This record gives sequence, structure tokens and C-alpha cells, in this order.
Amino acid sequence: AQSVTQLGSHVSVSEGALVLLRCNYSSSVPPYLFWYVQYPNQGLQLLLKYTTGATLVKGINGFEAEFKKSETSFHLTKPSAHMSDAAEYFCAVSLNNDMRFGAGTRLTVKP
Amino acid sequence: DTEVTQTPKHLVMGMTNKKSLKCEQHMGHRAMYWYKQKAKKPPELMFVYSYEKLSINESVPSRFSPECPNSSLLNLHLHALQPEDSALYLCASSQESGPLEGRNTIYFGEGSWLTVV
Repeated sequence: AQSVTQLGSHVSVSEGALVLLRCNYSSSVPPYLFWYVQYPNQGLQLLLKYTTGATLVKGINGFEAEFKKSETSFHLTKPSAHMSDAAEYFCAVSLNNDMRFGAGTRLTVKP
Repeated sequence: DTEVTQTPKHLVMGMTNKKSLKCEQHMGHRAMYWYKQKAKKPPELMFVYSYEKLSINESVPSRFSPECPNSSLLNLHLHALQPEDSALYLCASSQESGPLEGRNTIYFGEGSWLTVV
């Protein structure tokens, strides 16, 4: 069965600093990997996804993630954090409509 | 903007009440889902419908009763709930045929906040 592990339940950065949220996956077959963002009191919004092809995936709001098979990782990055990026971020892996989420990482952005 | 619409956004119900959560999508998706999310936790899968038929029930108590009247609508009927059932209930949808990429990309609604008193 597939699964993901998010390293760090809480990440705090200063505005303008690099954002790095870590996700490692476990899957017996090539995975479909996703990052979702959840703002307070809202549903989940798809940030980006990796299916096949290019390993560097660009998403909305300036986020990107790189699929590294050798490291079984799919870390989320953004060069410069903005106050509006403060939210909960979930990494997920999906196979045949069965999507499994990581525990989530809360991103705090300090002024 | 999400293309999965959920109503109501907030619901407060007593333990003896019967209520329903509703979900609608117009993306032509034939797979629809109910997830439950407790505070500071990831979403947990409850039910999956594929072509209007229940395909996955993650051992959800019978006080939660899903219904898929047609390919665009998904309901969750609630009866005799407990306070611990208070949570955010998320509806989602995805393609059910075609390339694997589409079948594995799930789109979520804004959720319905349920409080059981």
C-alpha cells in the first residue's frame, strides 16, 4: 500500500525566506503525488501534482516540487514566502482513487 | 474557485436529529468521495462512489448513510450522531475513466462544518 510521511508538523519562516516542506513516499508502483493547501476554515486546494514526465513540477502561487525517485521524496518549495502562504499543507499519494494523506505541515510566516 | 459545491457550510444538530449534507459537481466526474477531517488532522476517507455505485466504505458507522442520486450529486445522510462526529466533512470528485493522471487527481469542495450537540 502507498503512504506518505511529512517531516515536521510545523515550519516557521520569515517573510521573503525560502519555504521547504518535506514529504517522503512509499509506493510499490510509480506513484501519483500531490500537494494540497488548506487555509483556515476552508477545504483543500490542489497546489500541484506529479504524475509522469518532468520531475520538477510547478504549481500555483509560486510553489514547485521535485520528484526524486532515488530519495523517494517530493519536497515542496517556494523561493520567497509571503504572509498569505500561512496555511496547512498536505502531501498525498494516490493509486486507483485511493488517496492517502500525510499528517500535514503547518506553515507559519513571520513578518 | 472549487468546482465542487457543498451545502450547508455550517450545520449544528442534536443527537436525535436527522440532517443531510449535499455535494454537487459539474466536471463530469464519475467518482465522488466523502472525507471526514478532525481539527489538525488529515482528511480520512469515508466513502467512494464510482458510476453512482458505492465502491468503498471504510467501515463507517451506519449513522452515516451516503447516497448518490445521479452522476453530479452526492449526499450524506446523518442520524443519531455523537458529539465526537463533529468535524469538517469534505466532498471530492475525480475522473473514473481515461488516463491514470485524471483518475488519480481528486478535487475537493470547501467542506461542511458539522457540530453535534
